[in-house]
Amino acid sequence: QLQLVESGGGVVQPGRSLRLSCTASGFTFSTYGMDWVRQAPGKGLEWVALIWNDGINKFYADSVKGRFTISRDNSKNTLYLQMNSLRAEDTAVYYCARDVDGGFDMWGQGTMVTVSS
Amino acid sequence: SSELTQDPAVSVALGQTVRITCQGDSLRTYSASWYQQKPGQAPVLVISAKNNRPSGIPDRFSGSSSGNTASLTITGAQAEDEADYYCNSRDTSGNRLWVFGGGTKLTVL
Repeated sequence: QLQLVESGGGVVQPGRSLRLSCTASGFTFSTYGMDWVRQAPGKGLEWVALIWNDGINKFYADSVKGRFTISRDNSKNTLYLQMNSLRAEDTAVYYCARDVDGGFDMWGQGTMVTVSS
Repeated sequence: SSELTQDPAVSVALGQTVRITCQGDSLRTYSASWYQQKPGQAPVLVISAKNNRPSGIPDRFSGSSSGNTASLTITGAQAEDEADYYCNSRDTSGNRLWVFGGGTKLTVL
């Protein structure tokens, strides 16, 4: 069935790194752009990054540019988010989402990232 | 980058009609999509930027737009529609970035 499953969240100290994964199933992963969207506790949704289906074109929110890297492995149906130099303000639930021309039509259940000393 | 503005909270009586709005310069160029999020759950697309309802979304949900304002209308609101609603559109930078509104908390009375 159509599914996105995130993993890799946890508690990490400021300045450290973490890599999130999102495994897709039930659709042809390689034909879709994919995004990461985050939501800080009690706050709204914030778009983080987008990668086109070719894995070459990538875009980032200004708040994470230079620290986060989005990538994908189409042979493994997996999306990644490498997060470096983490800050307290990066604490959030991170969702992966399938990007279609009309919006985000599929979302994972989310993985929580807590940046704290 | 552009911004999308939503009212923080809106209420509606059970069975009545409610409109949730989203304003922003990017909406003059790009259409908005709408998402419903219930506590502890991931967002769900309820209206696409092509003004389509995904499979499983009740037909009481509809979208419209005019100028710099997009609207989500729920005709005959039900108790299960109580949730946070977010609008979303492309950013006007032209780099195919996305931007979300701040969200509207809908209370069904």
